[in-house]
Amino acid sequence: DQQVKQNSPSLSVQEGRISILNCDYTNSMFDYFLWYKKYPAEGPTFLISISSIKDKNEDGRFTVFLNKSAKHLSLHIVPSQPGDSAVYFCAASPDSNSGYALNFGKGTSLLVTP
Amino acid sequence: DVKVTQSSRYLVKRTGEKVFLECVQDMDHENMFWYRQDPGLGLRLIYFSYDVKMKEKGDIPEGYSVSREKKERFSLILESASTNQTSMYLCASRPTGRVYNEQFFGPGTRLTVL
Repeated sequence: DQQVKQNSPSLSVQEGRISILNCDYTNSMFDYFLWYKKYPAEGPTFLISISSIKDKNEDGRFTVFLNKSAKHLSLHIVPSQPGDSAVYFCAASPDSNSGYALNFGKGTSLLVTP
Repeated sequence: DVKVTQSSRYLVKRTGEKVFLECVQDMDHENMFWYRQDPGLGLRLIYFSYDVKMKEKGDIPEGYSVSREKKERFSLILESASTNQTSMYLCASRPTGRVYNEQFFGPGTRLTVL
C-alpha cells in the first residue's frame, strides 16, 4: 500500500513561473520528509527536507511546506528554470534518527519550458 | 563528498543468468539500500542492510538476494534473471543518527534482461 502519494505524474510550467509539486502521506508516524530530484540515467539527488516540528523550510529557490493535519506537503520552485526539468520524488521517514529506508512516492515529472 | 558507486552503468543479460550488481560507498555509512525504479512505479525498495551481514526485505524482495560482507559494499543478486527484472537499479547509503537523514544514491545500473 502506497504510503506516500504523488498524484500528479507530470507538470508543465513556463520558465520564470512558480512550480508547485504536491505530496500526500497516510502514515501519521512519518515525521521527516524529503524531496529528491532525478535526471534521466542518474541517481536521485537530495534537494530539501523538513521536520514535522516545522511547517516551512526554504533553500534558495526551493521551499517545502508541511501541513501535518492534512498529511500534505508541497515543494515550491520560484522562479522555475529549464534546468529544473526532472522527476521529483517525495519521501518520508518515520524517525529522523532511524536508519530505516525512506518511503518514496511515484514521482512527478516536471517540465519547465522556455 | 559522499560517494556511492555502482559497478556498471549499463548491463545486458540473458534470461536465467545469475547477475551481480555491486555497490560501494566511501563514507562509512551503516545503512545501505537497493531500489529499482520503473516508469509510473517510482522507487521501490528491494532490500536494505543496517549492518554488516544484516539484511532486511523491502517491498519487493522476490527474485533477489543480497550480500553485505563488508560495511562499504552491498551486493544485489538476481539468482535467475527474468525479463520482468529489466529496470533501473539504484543503490543508496545513509548514516544512522539524528542529523543525517538523507540517503545518498549511486548513479544507477540500467539492467536489460533479454
